[in-house]
Amino acid sequence: DAGVTQSPTHLIKTRGQQVTLRCSPKSGHDTVSWYQQALGQGPQFIFQYYEEEERQRGNFPDRFSGHQFPNYSSELNVNALLLGDSALYLCASSFNPQRRGGTDTQYFGPGTRLTVL
Amino acid sequence: GEDVEQSLFLSVREGDSSVINCTYTDSSSTYLYWYKQEPGAGLQLLTYIFSNMDMKQDQRLTVLLNKKDKHLSLRIADTQTGDSAIYFCAWDPGFSGGYNKLIFGAGTRLAVHP
Repeated sequence: DAGVTQSPTHLIKTRGQQVTLRCSPKSGHDTVSWYQQALGQGPQFIFQYYEEEERQRGNFPDRFSGHQFPNYSSELNVNALLLGDSALYLCASSFNPQRRGGTDTQYFGPGTRLTVL
Repeated sequence: GEDVEQSLFLSVREGDSSVINCTYTDSSSTYLYWYKQEPGAGLQLLTYIFSNMDMKQDQRLTVLLNKKDKHLSLRIADTQTGDSAIYFCAWDPGFSGGYNKLIFGAGTRLAVHP
């Protein structure tokens, strides 16, 4: 049973560029959440996708956008990159946020390390 | 507000017990989680507890919850060098709203020495 996968593992961009990160959820999961983890800090919630729609959003600017596909995989897009966007971007998947059963526990992928120069 | 506080660093001797502490701000029913992060890696779920429980034990791990004080702790028995990592406490403020997002602390770095 494959866990959460993310690509690429590492990425280097320059200021002003745009980047797309990809995530495939754990088998059987239908919800994808994205987190940003700056160096030395805990992860911060960016947004969550369910049924191809953004359900919940953290305190991040509109430069951060996402998409969920019919197969539940997801993309995170960041436009007009800033130096401060350098971080580890983590994707987490879970099943059924509507509390019909289970714990909705989030399982994390290995992350994409983004460096903005 | 939504906040989680953790002590930043803990050093223990191999074979001793480790206790990592966390405080959170919300008092509603929710799940509380412990995740482990090794260098350069993602987050590994260790265990979780629902807020109507006081304790949960899972092999070498024991989670204690004091809901009155909003204090959560993770005890690792017989700590090994492989337990050296950063441990994050997290809770879900969206639980009552039917969706979930996690609020994390800054993490506690556990160093295990011989």
